[in-house]
Amino acid sequence: LAKTTQPISMDSYEGQEVNITCSHNNIATNDYITWYQQFPSQGPRFIIQGYKTKVTNEVASLFIPADRKSSTLSLPRVSLSDTAVYYCLVGPNTGKLIFGQGTTLQVKP
Amino acid sequence: NAGVTQTPEFQVLKTGQSMTLQCAQDMNHEYMSWYRQDPGMGLRLIHYSVGAGITDQGEVPNGYNVSRSTTEDFPLRLLSAAPSQTSVYFCASSPDRDRGLRGYTFGSGTRLTVV
Repeated sequence: LAKTTQPISMDSYEGQEVNITCSHNNIATNDYITWYQQFPSQGPRFIIQGYKTKVTNEVASLFIPADRKSSTLSLPRVSLSDTAVYYCLVGPNTGKLIFGQGTTLQVKP
Repeated sequence: NAGVTQTPEFQVLKTGQSMTLQCAQDMNHEYMSWYRQDPGMGLRLIHYSVGAGITDQGEVPNGYNVSRSTTEDFPLRLLSAAPSQTSVYFCASSPDRDRGLRGYTFGSGTRLTVV
């Protein structure tokens, strides 16, 4: 599984757009880029996945440049309830997930 | 459809005791895995299984055993509990046919304290 690097923490205010960038220089051809969200005292949950270009769902957008060596998770107009840890994972599905430390997003009123 | 069910939710053990953390899923997922999460840290993989009868070690397997006799169940056994095993344990499952890593469903966790 490709190693990922993302900021340890970020602060934002309600109503702002938040962009979290993940670096994955050693991404392989068959790897997907997947983001999970974890609230305190809960297990992680899937929020978005992409392979190339841009993906958007009801929760977030994921921007992937042509070289796929990085990706950016975009959360539009965050609220206090978006305070969580966000994990970037890269790879095919081989039965296991290897998590980094993730990005702790703190949304302030 | 309950998803991934972990029991117990909380557990206190004395050093040297053994116990089994239970994990069951009702989604017919082939892949199952166990993670531990220490305060302020990301999840670390303990053991995983790609099907009944098949298990493999993850990043931090020492002190833990697993078996997978059925598709539904994937218990985690602590052989001789140590204070360093105080953590929150999460079980997850995933279908094997998904492309990428989007298909993982996590349980609600077991909070284990070893005194």
